[in-house]
Amino acid sequence: NAGVMQNPRHLVRRRGQEARLRCSPMKGHSHVYWYRQLPEEGLKFMVYLQKENIIDESGMPKERFSAEFPKEGPSILRIQQVVRGDSAAYFCASSPLSGRNEQFFGPGTRLTVL
Amino acid sequence: KQEVTQIPAALSVPEGENLVLNCSFTDSAIYNLQWFRQDPGKGLTSLLLIQSSQREQTSGRLNASLDKSSGRSTLYIAASQPGDSATYLCAVNRHYGQNFVFGPGTRLSVLP
Repeated sequence: NAGVMQNPRHLVRRRGQEARLRCSPMKGHSHVYWYRQLPEEGLKFMVYLQKENIIDESGMPKERFSAEFPKEGPSILRIQQVVRGDSAAYFCASSPLSGRNEQFFGPGTRLTVL
Repeated sequence: KQEVTQIPAALSVPEGENLVLNCSFTDSAIYNLQWFRQDPGKGLTSLLLIQSSQREQTSGRLNASLDKSSGRSTLYIAASQPGDSATYLCAVNRHYGQNFVFGPGTRLSVLP
């Protein structure tokens, strides 16, 4: 059973471009969480999704950021018109619908905005 | 609003020592508490999860305890090794399925 997969692992964008980050949860997991880790800061929650539904987006900036988890395919975190302050490590975690609700993290995508 | 703190912020010990990392949270109404380790430039590895009804969990040289009423958890590492060097993160959530709130971490260095 492969772990949580994220790609790309590293992403470089210029200011104003779009960034698309992908997350494939562990097999059998239907909950996906996105977190952001800014340089020298702790991990902060952004958004929680189940298949085709956004459950909680209280941690996501209101503008330029969006997330989806379609019926088929990976979850996507999309950042439009990136700015330097978006440079961070973005982590995805997944959890099964049942059991202890333990969260398993992917390796992260490190976004650098030039 | 839940806040999680971890003490100490950094710790350096010689190999073989037993050590304790501390985690405190302000709202005792938690569902799960999970300990992770993060190596530099890497993702998070789950170490132990304690459900609110439990008092402790053990895995190998690691033991995590939970005192929900006082808002505290400790991670005990026995016979530390250089490979244990990493940042250790504590996280809690309030309800089943809810996101975690993370502490700032304890950066551990185990010297050979």
